[in-house]
Amino acid sequence: GAGVSQSPSNKVTEKGKDVELRCDPISGHTALYWYRQSLGQGLEFLIYFQGNSAPDKSGLPSDRFSAERTGGSVSTLTIQRTQQEDSAVYLCASSHPNTGELFFGEGSRLTVL
Amino acid sequence: QKEVEQNSGPLSVPEGAIASLNCTYSDRGSQSFFWYRQYSGKSPELIMFIYSNGDKEDGRFTAQLNKASQYVSLLIRDSQPSDSATYLCAVFSGSARQLTFGSGTQLTVLP
Repeated sequence: GAGVSQSPSNKVTEKGKDVELRCDPISGHTALYWYRQSLGQGLEFLIYFQGNSAPDKSGLPSDRFSAERTGGSVSTLTIQRTQQEDSAVYLCASSHPNTGELFFGEGSRLTVL
Repeated sequence: QKEVEQNSGPLSVPEGAIASLNCTYSDRGSQSFFWYRQYSGKSPELIMFIYSNGDKEDGRFTAQLNKASQYVSLLIRDSQPSDSATYLCAVFSGSARQLTFGSGTQLTVLP
């Protein structure tokens, strides 16, 4: 695709349910990032992939959060047993590893009731 | 100490003035420097990048880089109300192969 694609764009779920967010990066971009942004707040780094491996998982807030990337392309971010404080916009971005220029998707807005 | 720090906001300037946004970074091995703009409710979008010491101009925007001082700035000339947004500084470390963002500076241009 022409840009970074994320789905779903909006997700409303009940507390305790699991959710899965998907990111399809720009073709050929080997680096992929997940960020979280709560209303009125800055970008919170979650995890970074280089190819299929994740050199930096330091931003994942708890063990309820996990992410994987397969085939060096699509990535999924899974949140288990969602809590109300998980409500935020989850942004995915991809970049060429040499330039570092990052392109963002439109985000997945998660609301946990 | 945060790896990338931006001057605290919010910053307000009158229409037509120069807005100056500042950013410092801790990793001396950083190679690439980016400024992103984020409108409320939207994703960040790239507006400028700079790799070499000195100034880089693009329309009303000028990015300035001083690697010795580990400092990068963004100047917006003839500020417009449409420039009102949060501006994010991002630094790419070649060794870590990772991009790090600052916390952002909220700019308001008053008509």
